[in-house]
Amino acid sequence: LAKTTQPISMDSYEGQEVNITCSHNNIATNDYITWYQQFPSQGPRFIIQGYKTKVTNEVASLFIPADRKSSTLSLPRVSLSDTAVYYCLVGDQAGTALIFGKGTTLSVSS
Amino acid sequence: KAGVTQTPRYLIKTRGQQVTLSCSPISGHRSVSWYQQTPGQGLQFLFEYFSETQRNKGNFPGRFSGRQFSNSRSEMNVSTLELGDSALYLCASSPQTSGGETQYFGPGTRLLVL
Repeated sequence: LAKTTQPISMDSYEGQEVNITCSHNNIATNDYITWYQQFPSQGPRFIIQGYKTKVTNEVASLFIPADRKSSTLSLPRVSLSDTAVYYCLVGDQAGTALIFGKGTTLSVSS
Repeated sequence: KAGVTQTPRYLIKTRGQQVTLSCSPISGHRSVSWYQQTPGQGLQFLFEYFSETQRNKGNFPGRFSGRQFSNSRSEMNVSTLELGDSALYLCASSPQTSGGETQYFGPGTRLLVL
């Protein structure tokens, strides 16, 4: 499984757009990129998943360049409730052990 | 559909005891994985079951074991509990019908070993 690198922490204010970049230089051809959000004492929650180019859902957008060695999670107009830990993972299928790194702790202030 | 459910949500045990945690996956999901989360080690993979067979196993001692039933419900057992086993234990399920599927996590069981 490809290892990922992401910033340990980020700070933002309500209403701003937040972009969290994840590096995955050794991503394999079959790997998908998945982002999870986790609040304290809760299980991680799926945010978005992509393979290449751009994916958008009602919560976030995921930008993946052509070489797929990095990806950027974009959260539009964050609110206080977006304060959480965000994990970037790469893997080829569910059921494979998900390798969680330290994640990025996003703190949103008013 | 109902989400992944885990029982109990909270548990207090003493060293040397054993504990069994239960996980009910989302209806139709055939794969169930277990993770341990601690402040020091983060989220770590324990094992994964598919069609009642353990398919993947993380780097945990044999005191940690699990099983899956024909209805896809899963249990994990920890024997001879140690203080370091205090953690949030998370269960995740997925359909496992094609590649790239995501895993859906339950709320977890908070285990405290005294």
